[in-house]
Amino acid sequence: ILNVEQSPQSLHVQEGDSTNFTCSFPSSNFYALHWYRWETAKSPEALFVMTLNGDEKKKGRISATLNTKEGYSYLYIKGSQPEDSATYLCAHKDSNYQLIWGAGTKLIIKP
Amino acid sequence: NAGVTQTPKFQVLKTGQSMTLQCAQDMNHEYMSWYRQDPGMGLRLIHYSVGAGITDQGEVPNGYNVSRSTTEDFPLRLLSAAPSQTSVYFCASSYSRAGITKTGELFFGEGSRLTVL
Repeated sequence: ILNVEQSPQSLHVQEGDSTNFTCSFPSSNFYALHWYRWETAKSPEALFVMTLNGDEKKKGRISATLNTKEGYSYLYIKGSQPEDSATYLCAHKDSNYQLIWGAGTKLIIKP
Repeated sequence: NAGVTQTPKFQVLKTGQSMTLQCAQDMNHEYMSWYRQDPGMGLRLIHYSVGAGITDQGEVPNGYNVSRSTTEDFPLRLLSAAPSQTSVYFCASSYSRAGITKTGELFFGEGSRLTVL
């Protein structure tokens, strides 16, 4: 199983600052790229499902881009707020339809 | 809306004991799955099901059994618990595995933290 890599592993950001992190995945046999937010003691929740090269998706202050040819996706958070503190997970779905998960980026917003 | 419900939330077992983690969803999802989450690692698929009566192995199936007698329920059984099975377990469901007609996003339960001594 080819790896999905997320970087950085953890990130401390001052409230109000913007930030971004990366998900790298195998560029062959691409089907979809998922982003999830996982708050402590809660269920992971889907943020975006992206399928097309060049896709850009946005939900409030959070946006994501996708480059399937080079195998990466960026997640951006604009004007970080304390409620953005969570672990952000990405998962690559290949043509076998199984999701392969990264280990996550843990984001901590400092007030 | 209940969504995906997992029980129990916490469990401590002794080596060799058996138990069942329950998972139920009320969204009429075809696809259900069990993952385990270990520190520093991505979620790893244990077993999955694409519909009632159909189950298949994921990446780390050894030591676990599943069944899918109804669309709603997908229990995970540990027949003889081992310390290596100490983990957080997540049940997740989706409209369809392929996501051909839907986005295929997963809906997760809140997790079950299992400790095997």
